[in-house]
Amino acid sequence: AQSVTQLGSHVSVSEGALVLLRCNYSSSVPPYLFWYVQYPNQGLQLLLKYTSAATLVKGINGFEAEFKKSETSFHLTKPSAHMSDAAEYFCAVSDGDSGGYQKVTFGTGTKLQVIP
Amino acid sequence: DADVTQTPRNRITKTGKRIMLECSQTKGHDRMYWYRQDPGLGLRLIYYSFDVKDINKGEISDGYSVSRQAQAKFSLSLESAIPNQTALYFCATSDKGRGTEAFFGQGTRLTVV
Repeated sequence: AQSVTQLGSHVSVSEGALVLLRCNYSSSVPPYLFWYVQYPNQGLQLLLKYTSAATLVKGINGFEAEFKKSETSFHLTKPSAHMSDAAEYFCAVSDGDSGGYQKVTFGTGTKLQVIP
Repeated sequence: DADVTQTPRNRITKTGKRIMLECSQTKGHDRMYWYRQDPGLGLRLIYYSFDVKDINKGEISDGYSVSRQAQAKFSLSLESAIPNQTALYFCATSDKGRGTEAFFGQGTRLTVV
């Protein structure tokens, strides 16, 4: 079984401040981990993904995430928030295509508000 | 043009009506998915399909059916819509292989009154 927990359904930061969105996962096999972003009235798009290569993963728009096996975490960070970062962010875990189907479990999402 | 296109984008329907949501893709992916998004619940899988002949139920398939008309087309039907099926519905595709990302359509906002 696999699961994802995103701490904080809403996070507010000031423009220029550090963004930290938390994600903890549970998986019985080595996981693949993803962060997706959803802008208003749009579908989800991939920010970054962890596939067991490097533990620090860099994504688009200045975001990065670090895989920490000992903490079962995959937190998303950005050094300096921009107004355009306001969106909802979803963490997801995959069991990696076992049995021919990649089961993906999504977290409940964190809405990021950026205050001018 | 979007790689994954959903129609309609918005729909209001009455309880008991049958409704179809359509999805088409130009990614060339064999795998297609239908998800439902509800506030505070994230995305939940309704159905998924490996190819035209392979369709599988997800975690919340009751009250829904699907049809894979071609590699590029995957439709979701609500046979008799009910108000708790009011939600945002997403179609997605992915390539084969381990740890592949999903590509999402822009969503269909469905309201059942």
